[in-house]
Amino acid sequence: EVQLVESGGGLVQPGGSLRLSCAASGFPFISHNMYWIRQAPGKELVWVSRLNSDGRPSTYADSVKGRFTISRDTSKNTLYLQMNSLRAEDTAVYFCARGIEGHAVAFDLWGQGTPVTVSS
Amino acid sequence: HSALTQPASVSGSPGQSLTISCTGTSSDIASYKYVSWYQRSPGKAPKLIIYDVNERPSGVSNRFSGSKSGDTASLTISGLQTEDEADYYCCSYAGSDTYVLFGGGTKLTVL
Repeated sequence: EVQLVESGGGLVQPGGSLRLSCAASGFPFISHNMYWIRQAPGKELVWVSRLNSDGRPSTYADSVKGRFTISRDTSKNTLYLQMNSLRAEDTAVYFCARGIEGHAVAFDLWGQGTPVTVSS
Repeated sequence: HSALTQPASVSGSPGQSLTISCTGTSSDIASYKYVSWYQRSPGKAPKLIIYDVNERPSGVSNRFSGSKSGDTASLTISGLQTEDEADYYCCSYAGSDTYVLFGGGTKLTVL
Protein backbone atom coordinates (compact mmCIF):
# COMPACT_ATOMS: atom_id res chain seq x y z
CA GLU A 1 0.00 0.00 0.00
CA VAL A 2 1.23 3.47 -0.89
CA GLN A 3 1.28 5.43 2.35
CA LEU A 4 3.12 7.75 4.71
CA VAL A 5 2.96 7.20 8.47
CA GLU A 6 4.25 9.84 10.86
CA SER A 7 5.33 9.25 14.45
CA GLY A 8 7.33 10.89 17.20
CA GLY A 9 5.06 13.74 18.21
CA GLY A 10 4.21 14.52 21.80
CA LEU A 11 4.41 17.03 24.62
CA VAL A 12 7.71 18.84 25.08
CA GLN A 13 8.80 21.81 27.15
CA PRO A 14 9.90 25.07 25.53
CA GLY A 15 13.53 24.80 24.53
CA GLY A 16 13.30 21.05 24.18
CA SER A 17 13.78 18.74 21.20
CA LEU A 18 11.81 16.14 19.29
CA ARG A 19 12.49 14.02 16.26
CA LEU A 20 9.58 13.23 13.98
CA SER A 21 9.65 10.25 11.66
CA CYS A 22 7.71 9.54 8.49
CA ALA A 23 7.77 5.97 7.23
CA ALA A 24 7.12 5.66 3.49
CA SER A 25 5.92 2.51 1.77
CA GLY A 26 4.68 1.38 -1.62
CA PHE A 27 6.66 3.80 -3.77
CA PRO A 28 10.28 4.68 -4.64
CA PHE A 29 10.99 6.99 -1.73
CA ILE A 30 14.30 8.15 -3.15
CA SER A 31 12.68 9.50 -6.31
CA HIS A 32 10.50 12.15 -4.72
CA ASN A 33 10.97 15.49 -3.02
CA MET A 34 9.60 15.14 0.48
CA TYR A 35 8.11 17.79 2.71
CA TRP A 36 7.05 18.59 6.23
CA ILE A 37 3.95 20.76 6.58
CA ARG A 38 2.28 21.76 9.82
CA GLN A 39 -1.06 23.08 11.00
CA ALA A 40 -1.50 24.85 14.31
CA PRO A 41 -4.90 24.61 15.99
CA GLY A 42 -7.40 26.73 14.08
CA LYS A 43 -4.77 27.98 11.66
CA GLU A 44 -3.80 27.40 8.05
CA LEU A 45 -1.39 24.81 6.73
CA VAL A 46 2.19 26.05 6.73
CA TRP A 47 5.11 24.61 4.80
CA VAL A 48 8.05 23.80 7.09
CA SER A 49 10.78 22.11 5.07
CA ARG A 50 11.67 20.37 1.82
CA LEU A 51 14.17 17.62 1.13
CA ASN A 52 15.18 17.41 -2.52
CA SER A 53 15.40 14.02 -4.18
CA ASP A 54 18.36 15.13 -6.29
CA GLY A 55 20.59 16.01 -3.36
CA ARG A 56 20.31 19.79 -3.64
CA PRO A 57 20.35 21.56 -0.26
CA SER A 58 17.19 21.27 1.79
CA THR A 59 15.10 24.36 2.37
CA TYR A 60 13.29 25.67 5.42
CA ALA A 61 10.66 28.22 6.34
CA ASP A 62 12.19 31.27 8.01
CA SER A 63 10.33 30.45 11.23
CA VAL A 64 12.26 27.19 11.71
CA LYS A 65 15.56 27.91 9.97
CA GLY A 66 18.49 27.06 12.21
CA ARG A 67 16.33 25.05 14.61
CA PHE A 68 14.87 22.25 12.46
CA THR A 69 16.72 19.78 10.26
CA ILE A 70 15.15 17.54 7.62
CA SER A 71 16.85 14.30 6.64
CA ARG A 72 16.14 10.83 5.31
CA ASP A 73 17.35 7.27 5.68
CA THR A 74 16.85 5.63 2.31
CA SER A 75 17.63 2.17 3.72
CA LYS A 76 14.61 2.56 6.01
CA ASN A 77 12.46 4.59 3.58
CA THR A 78 12.04 7.10 6.38
CA LEU A 79 11.97 10.90 6.46
CA TYR A 80 12.89 12.75 9.62
CA LEU A 81 12.44 16.18 11.12
CA GLN A 82 14.78 17.00 14.00
CA MET A 83 13.26 19.88 15.94
CA ASN A 84 15.43 21.75 18.46
CA SER A 85 14.88 24.85 20.58
CA LEU A 86 11.14 24.32 20.37
CA ARG A 87 8.81 27.23 21.02
CA ALA A 88 5.14 27.45 21.92
CA GLU A 89 4.42 28.62 18.38
CA ASP A 90 5.73 25.32 17.03
CA THR A 91 2.67 23.60 18.51
CA ALA A 92 0.89 21.98 15.57
CA VAL A 93 0.02 18.77 13.82
CA TYR A 94 2.97 17.89 11.58
CA PHE A 95 2.36 16.17 8.26
CA CYS A 96 4.86 14.66 5.90
CA ALA A 97 3.98 14.84 2.23
CA ARG A 98 5.28 13.64 -1.10
CA GLY A 99 5.79 15.98 -4.02
CA ILE A 100 5.01 15.28 -7.67
CA GLU A 101 8.30 15.55 -9.54
CA GLY A 102 8.51 18.63 -11.72
CA HIS A 103 5.41 20.21 -10.26
CA ALA A 104 5.96 22.72 -7.49
CA VAL A 105 3.57 22.67 -4.52
CA ALA A 106 1.82 19.51 -5.75
CA PHE A 107 1.71 17.30 -2.66
CA ASP A 108 0.00 14.13 -3.80
CA LEU A 109 0.40 11.90 -0.75
CA TRP A 110 0.08 12.91 2.90
CA GLY A 111 0.35 11.13 6.19
CA GLN A 112 -2.27 11.40 8.91
CA GLY A 113 -0.08 13.75 10.93
CA THR A 114 1.56 13.64 14.34
CA PRO A 115 0.71 16.24 17.00
CA VAL A 116 3.39 18.29 18.71
CA THR A 117 2.62 20.36 21.79
CA VAL A 118 5.21 22.73 23.20
CA SER A 119 4.20 23.77 26.68
CA SER A 120 5.54 23.94 30.20
CA HIS B 1 4.45 36.80 3.09
CA SER B 2 0.87 36.49 4.36
CA ALA B 3 -1.31 33.47 3.81
CA LEU B 4 -3.50 33.40 0.74
CA THR B 5 -7.04 34.68 1.32
CA GLN B 6 -10.00 32.32 1.12
CA PRO B 7 -13.58 32.75 2.32
CA ALA B 8 -14.05 31.10 5.70
CA SER B 9 -17.12 29.20 4.59
CA VAL B 10 -19.34 28.47 1.62
CA SER B 11 -22.46 26.39 1.28
CA GLY B 12 -24.58 24.87 -1.44
CA SER B 13 -27.28 22.35 -2.13
CA PRO B 14 -26.79 18.93 -3.69
CA GLY B 15 -26.49 19.21 -7.44
CA GLN B 16 -25.48 22.86 -7.44
CA SER B 17 -22.15 24.28 -8.52
CA LEU B 18 -20.06 26.59 -6.44
CA THR B 19 -16.70 28.30 -6.59
CA ILE B 20 -14.14 28.91 -3.87
CA SER B 21 -11.77 31.80 -4.43
CA CYS B 22 -8.17 32.14 -3.32
CA THR B 23 -6.56 35.55 -3.54
CA GLY B 24 -2.85 36.14 -3.45
CA THR B 25 -0.52 38.80 -4.80
CA SER B 26 1.76 39.57 -7.71
CA SER B 27 4.49 37.61 -5.88
CA ASP B 28 2.67 34.29 -5.82
CA ILE B 29 -0.53 33.33 -7.67
CA ALA B 30 -0.15 36.02 -10.34
CA SER B 31 3.44 35.07 -11.12
CA TYR B 32 3.39 31.28 -11.35
CA LYS B 33 1.35 28.46 -12.83
CA TYR B 34 1.78 26.45 -9.62
CA VAL B 35 -1.48 26.55 -7.70
CA SER B 36 -2.88 23.49 -5.98
CA TRP B 37 -6.01 22.68 -3.99
CA TYR B 38 -6.49 20.23 -1.14
CA GLN B 39 -9.56 18.66 0.39
CA ARG B 40 -9.44 17.80 4.08
CA SER B 41 -12.22 15.87 5.73
CA PRO B 42 -12.32 15.55 9.54
CA GLY B 43 -9.79 13.04 10.79
CA LYS B 44 -8.34 12.45 7.35
CA ALA B 45 -5.14 13.50 5.67
CA PRO B 46 -5.32 16.32 3.11
CA LYS B 47 -6.03 15.09 -0.43
CA LEU B 48 -4.67 16.76 -3.57
CA ILE B 49 -7.53 17.55 -5.94
CA ILE B 50 -6.00 20.14 -8.30
CA TYR B 51 -2.41 21.01 -9.18
CA ASP B 52 -0.74 23.31 -11.73
CA VAL B 53 -3.86 25.54 -11.57
CA ASN B 54 -6.18 23.17 -13.44
CA GLU B 55 -4.76 19.66 -13.54
CA ARG B 56 -6.54 16.80 -11.77
CA PRO B 57 -4.63 13.86 -10.32
CA SER B 58 -5.70 10.43 -11.42
CA GLY B 59 -8.78 9.30 -9.54
CA VAL B 60 -10.12 12.75 -8.69
CA SER B 61 -13.62 13.41 -9.92
CA ASN B 62 -14.00 15.68 -12.96
CA ARG B 63 -16.57 17.62 -10.91
CA PHE B 64 -13.56 19.47 -9.52
CA SER B 65 -11.91 22.07 -11.73
CA GLY B 66 -9.45 24.89 -11.21
CA SER B 67 -8.66 28.19 -12.85
CA LYS B 68 -6.69 31.36 -12.31
CA SER B 69 -7.05 35.00 -13.28
CA GLY B 70 -4.43 37.49 -12.20
CA ASP B 71 -3.78 37.08 -8.50
CA THR B 72 -6.88 34.98 -7.82
CA ALA B 73 -7.26 31.25 -8.23
CA SER B 74 -10.59 29.45 -8.11
CA LEU B 75 -11.82 25.96 -7.38
CA THR B 76 -15.18 25.04 -8.88
CA ILE B 77 -17.15 22.04 -7.70
CA SER B 78 -20.03 21.04 -9.93
CA GLY B 79 -22.88 18.69 -9.06
CA LEU B 80 -22.32 19.10 -5.32
CA GLN B 81 -22.57 15.91 -3.29
CA THR B 82 -22.84 15.47 0.46
CA GLU B 83 -19.48 13.71 0.41
CA ASP B 84 -17.90 16.98 -0.75
CA GLU B 85 -18.37 18.46 2.72
CA ALA B 86 -14.84 19.22 3.88
CA ASP B 87 -12.30 21.98 4.33
CA TYR B 88 -10.59 23.15 1.14
CA TYR B 89 -7.15 24.76 1.06
CA CYS B 90 -5.44 26.52 -1.80
CA CYS B 91 -1.68 26.62 -2.17
CA SER B 92 0.67 28.60 -4.36
CA TYR B 93 4.33 28.63 -5.18
CA ALA B 94 5.79 31.93 -4.01
CA GLY B 95 9.35 31.98 -5.29
CA SER B 96 12.54 30.39 -4.11
CA ASP B 97 12.67 32.22 -0.75
CA THR B 98 9.14 31.92 0.60
CA TYR B 99 8.51 28.85 -1.56
CA VAL B 100 4.99 27.81 -0.46
CA LEU B 101 1.92 29.68 0.74
CA PHE B 102 -1.36 28.13 1.82
CA GLY B 103 -4.76 29.72 2.16
CA GLY B 104 -6.59 29.82 5.46
CA GLY B 105 -9.06 27.19 4.33
CA THR B 106 -12.73 27.23 3.35
CA LYS B 107 -15.33 25.07 5.06
CA LEU B 108 -17.80 23.71 2.53
CA THR B 109 -21.23 22.76 3.80
CA VAL B 110 -23.64 20.87 1.60
CA LEU B 111 -27.11 21.74 2.83
